[in-house]
Amino acid sequence: AQKITQTQPGMFVQEKEAVTLDCTYDTSDQSYGLFWYKQPSSGEMIFLIYQGSYDEQNATEGRYSLNFQKARKSANLVISASQLGDSAMYFCAMSVSGANNLFFGTGTRLTVIP
Amino acid sequence: AAGVIQSPRHLIKEKRETATLKCYPIPRHDTVYWYQQGPGQDPQFLISFYEKMQSDKGSIPDRFSAQQFSDYHSELNMSSLELGDSALYFCASRLKRKNEQFFGPGTRLTVL
Repeated sequence: AQKITQTQPGMFVQEKEAVTLDCTYDTSDQSYGLFWYKQPSSGEMIFLIYQGSYDEQNATEGRYSLNFQKARKSANLVISASQLGDSAMYFCAMSVSGANNLFFGTGTRLTVIP
Repeated sequence: AAGVIQSPRHLIKEKRETATLKCYPIPRHDTVYWYQQGPGQDPQFLISFYEKMQSDKGSIPDRFSAQQFSDYHSELNMSSLELGDSALYFCASRLKRKNEQFFGPGTRLTVL
């Protein structure tokens, strides 16, 4: 069975600073993918970044980077230079080879303070 | 760039009624997923289709059914609606040889 754990229900960050959102996962599959999605208050689910289990380099997409530590089974999202528009719920998710549907964590609500 | 389209965006139904939600995936995407997100919850996988065939099934109630049509759009049919079915229903699409799943804006279903 697959499990995603996000232990931070809420986080605050000052505008222009960096913030790390934690995510740990558990799976017995060797081939899997890790995702981060942003859900603003309007409700849509926005894809941010993807990391494959065999990728040796950490994924980066603009201000987002994924700190992938395979031995620790962690896939933390780092947002640099936070902006007010980054205030949202952030979900970590995982898929395993074959099924490919996503298993989500419970999310972290990020609030950016001006 | 084209995104996933879902209709309707909002739907209000009475208990025991039926509802049909529609999803139009990103062009050339061959895989469609349906997720249900209850209030304050994380999304839960319901069902998926690849090339018009059901490929995987999650926590979809027997009262719900879904299919994918020849033009790749998908419909989620929900019958005997219950209050607990009130949720945000997402469709997501993916190109099978790629990993990213892109979500539509969701259909917010309210059952009264």
